[in-house]
Formats: sequence, structure tokens, C-alpha cells
Amino acid sequence: DSGVTQTPKHLITATGQRVTLRCSPRSGDLSVYWYQQSLDQGLQFLIQYYNGEERAKGNILERFSAQQFPDLHSELNLSSLELGDSALYFCASSVVPGIEHGELFFGEGSRLTVL
Amino acid sequence: SQQGEEDPQALSIQEGENATMNCSYKTSINNLQWYRQNSGRGLVHLILIRSNEREKHSGRLRVTLDTSKKSSSLLITASRAADTASYFCAVPYDKIIFGKGTRLHILP
Repeated sequence: DSGVTQTPKHLITATGQRVTLRCSPRSGDLSVYWYQQSLDQGLQFLIQYYNGEERAKGNILERFSAQQFPDLHSELNLSSLELGDSALYFCASSVVPGIEHGELFFGEGSRLTVL
Repeated sequence: SQQGEEDPQALSIQEGENATMNCSYKTSINNLQWYRQNSGRGLVHLILIRSNEREKHSGRLRVTLDTSKKSSSLLITASRAADTASYFCAVPYDKIIFGKGTRLHILP
């Protein structure tokens, strides 16, 4: 158990809909990362937050947004869903945010299926 | 590209043999990390090697780093069925980006 909690574990929805994925980082970790993993694209970095502020941005679509709340949990919002958004979405946390980064602790992921 | 790239993409070996996978990167680094992912599960951190280290051990894992060649290797000795997984290297810059990984399959 990494200490990172992601909900829901599985989600099935229809095209055009909106979903919210939630992540609770390990106790004490201030930095949260979101990744998307699909079969053809590998593990894609989406976005990173540190102590409530956006720290780094990757290949995150405009239809996607995220935030980190004062209690450090984070949410990834996916809207106007398309079939191609079907993937595993991982959250990870770490203690340090900078170039050192250190070890990432991953949750078990949220599997999104868009029909 | 900031990410590390693993090689080979896939590897099948007999149980008990050693498995070696490699990671190449393009710019100077502070550290390099290796992770394992069992099918459909979250990634698990295996080992972190800093730029001033050349070799690091953890149980049956041995990681080497050659900053002059911008490459790292992960050696798993005496492989077991439970080692079947995908292995990723990560090279932290302002972001932590993973390569596509090496899929390791241990044959009984």
C-alpha cells in the first residue's frame, strides 16, 4: 500500500460527459502528479501541483483541468469526454517538488471507460 | 525529449536467468529512478541513483549509471515469475516523465 488513495477505481461513462477523479496523497506529501496511461500512448504526464499551486504542466488537454485543495487532495476533471480518453489515470505524490523530486508514490489508478 | 527511453521494449527470459534493461537520456541529470508496474497496477519505485553515483544495489537489483554515455541499466539477478512486469526509468527535470518501459516476461 503506497498510501496514495484514488477514487473511483473504475468508471464507465458516455461520450460528452464529465467526470471527476479524486486523489488523496500520502500523509505529509505536498506534491501531487497526474498521469494518463493508455495502451498506445504509454504513461503520459498531465500536471503537477505543489502545496496548492500548479508546478508543471504536460500534455494535458484543454478539456481537462485539475486542482489541489488546501487539505492537499487533488481532483482531475475530464469534460466533453471522447472515446480516446479511455485510459488508466494515475495520481502520484512526493515530498519534494523540485529538481530533486525524489521518489514518487503511485495510487492504484482510476480506470475510465468512455462508451 | 526529457524522458528516458528504455531498451529493449520487451524481454522474455527463463526463470533463474538475469535480466538486463537499459535507459538512455539526453541531458544532464540530478538523479535517475527505476519503477516497476505489474499489469494494470500503480507504479512502484525500485531504486534512485544520483548523478554522482555509479552503481547501486537493492536486493536482487543492481543499477548502474554512466553519465558520460547518458545511460543507466537495471539488472535483475536470479529472476522469478513475480518479476514479470513492465519496468520504467524516469529522469526528473522540471517534470518527471517516464519512457514507454520494458515489458519483462519470466518464463517458467
